[in-house]
Amino acid sequence: DTGVSQNPRHKITKRGQNVTFRCDPISEHNRLYWYRQTLGQGPEFLTYFQNEAQLEKSRLLSDRFSAERPKGSFSTLEIQRTEQGDSAMYLCASSLAGQGLVGNTIYFGEGSWLTVV
Amino acid sequence: SQQGEEDPQALSIQEGENATMNCSYKTSINNLQWYRQNSGRGLVHLILIRSNEREKHSGRLRVTLDTSKKSSSLLITASRAADTASYFCATDATGRRALTFGSGTRLQVQP
Repeated sequence: DTGVSQNPRHKITKRGQNVTFRCDPISEHNRLYWYRQTLGQGPEFLTYFQNEAQLEKSRLLSDRFSAERPKGSFSTLEIQRTEQGDSAMYLCASSLAGQGLVGNTIYFGEGSWLTVV
Repeated sequence: SQQGEEDPQALSIQEGENATMNCSYKTSINNLQWYRQNSGRGLVHLILIRSNEREKHSGRLRVTLDTSKKSSSLLITASRAADTASYFCATDATGRRALTFGSGTRLQVQP
């Protein structure tokens, strides 16, 4: 499977614990995105990388959230001191820029569900 | 914050009927895209329309774009039960590289 891979797919954690999600993008893609989605809503942008550089962060990304993309390959999203409001699906996506393609079509993984109890 | 707003929020039709969903947005865009999401799954790209295009077709999908009204519509013709999903518009705003999604239309196609 050469799509975007996310793990774990489901995580249940107690409030106050830290959690980390991993995303493996499509191998040749240089852009990687994290989005958050709650029930009945569309995905909300969290952050975006071009290669290993984190170029944009949403105001939604509080200081408890940190994302990394070492070596411009896979990425991790860590949430420290989780709160019940962090319960959501965390979606990773990737795209290829600079190929002369029109637009910024991004390809999503299946998401990682987080439940904070 | 979400730029796009889809209308209606929910739509229920019979198999074989056409489904039309609308999307409005607020800022200048480079292009607009439509995505589909089955329950609990990731999003799948359907179609992209550039800001200088007015209509685009892909199979049973027809997308229109009116930049003067900052709106788009997605038409699914001859719907099937397998089309049951949520549909989102996403805008590629001028000066940004991340897509901004609307709140979605939940389509139910009854067999």
